[in-house]
Amino acid sequence: GQQVMQIPQYQHVQEGEDFTTYCNSSTTLSNIQWYKQRPGGHPVFLIQLVKSGEVKKQKRLTFQFGEAKKNSSLHITATQTTDVGTYFCAGDNYGQNFVFGPGTRLSVLP
Amino acid sequence: DAGVTQSPTHLIKTRGQQVTLRCSPISGHKSVSWYQQVLGQGPQFIFQYYEKEERGRGNFPDRFSARQFPNYSSELNVNALLLGDSALYLCASSLVNTEAFFGQGTRLTVV
Repeated sequence: GQQVMQIPQYQHVQEGEDFTTYCNSSTTLSNIQWYKQRPGGHPVFLIQLVKSGEVKKQKRLTFQFGEAKKNSSLHITATQTTDVGTYFCAGDNYGQNFVFGPGTRLSVLP
Repeated sequence: DAGVTQSPTHLIKTRGQQVTLRCSPISGHKSVSWYQQVLGQGPQFIFQYYEKEERGRGNFPDRFSARQFPNYSSELNVNALLLGDSALYLCASSLVNTEAFFGQGTRLTVV
């Protein structure tokens, strides 16, 4: 079945440093979504990418969808303590429901 | 508008017992999905219901079942509970193929 992997598993950064998490799917995706989950909270939708090579920005966050639609990345510029949490990608395998990756847990040291 | 609501928020059950978890989607959302999230892992897909019909099932045993009601609310049932069923159970509602809105989840502990 479809597998979605994310690296790194954990990332500790100093406030102000940049952060990137990478997501890879074993199969081609129709679209990919990114979610953020704060400690003790529930996943909150960040963005959906649909087109091959698509790049979307939300303030300090930049999301990319690979040309082959099998990988994606989330980059945060100048991290802040409010960015702390676990970032999940979720791949849609053409209607066969979203498969979540294991997440990247981000810690930001003030 | 109210978001996705789940009940109960916390639950403690004994091995072998049965449990029913409830979810009310956002008004207008006809799709409801259930996920199991074990501590430190990503949500694992259990079921998706759309217009009261099962649209997808994840790799979970038959002890797990669900249904969706005419008002689009949903129940997840788990029979013969095992210790390994202890997890956060998340419900998410959405329009078709759009962002999923998650509820706060039900924390199930099996002892």
